[in-house]
Amino acid sequence: DQQVKQNSPSLSVQEGRISILNCDYTNSMFDYFLWYKKYPAEGPTFLISISSIKDKNEDGRFTVFLNKSAKHLSLHIVPSQPGDSAVYFCAAWGTTSGTYKYIFGTGTRLKVLA
Amino acid sequence: DTAVSQTPKYLVTQMGNDKSIKCEQNLGHDTMYWYKQDSKKFLKIMFSYNNKELIINETVPNRFSPKSPDKAHLNLHINSLELGDSAVYFCASSQGYRDRGETEAFFGQGTRLTVV
Repeated sequence: DQQVKQNSPSLSVQEGRISILNCDYTNSMFDYFLWYKKYPAEGPTFLISISSIKDKNEDGRFTVFLNKSAKHLSLHIVPSQPGDSAVYFCAAWGTTSGTYKYIFGTGTRLKVLA
Repeated sequence: DTAVSQTPKYLVTQMGNDKSIKCEQNLGHDTMYWYKQDSKKFLKIMFSYNNKELIINETVPNRFSPKSPDKAHLNLHINSLELGDSAVYFCASSQGYRDRGETEAFFGQGTRLTVV
């Protein structure tokens, strides 16, 4: 049962434009959300996070938006750069069956075209 | 100075063998994890340890046995390897647990295990 979903497996964007990556979750008890970036043959690296008490968090070119009522979050990258090309994972920190863990989506491969 | 390091990075072995993957973190974190990324690229938790205590064991076959000699190390031993064990295994650590969970996890570079 996929509790964190990224329905777009891939996304292509022109350099300089906005990239929007989406993520949906099913468990309303999740209270902390993260985005990770992964290059081939490397581990995921933390990008940005947001607590459930907020609806927006910004860090430079990266902004994460959270819509709790819709159980939806999105990552905006503006402006997109070729170096942003990677797989992006959405993750939720929360409990299922009483144990806390990071639960990941299946990832979205972003390709930024020069 | 690598924060979470795991060895080896690549591991090719025959079916039926026993192998280990080692992980060390120098971040002073209390919690460590093993995640498996399968062929569908899905990152799924296998185990979690908090201060050397097993917290999560996510329906992983008994052939997989984690060992945490101290809170900076979490090793993964796999017995009687099968073709289906081929995947990338990631070690991670974080400071958070339970209500102190609002923190990020740091990942190692992964171990690509290929069983032939």
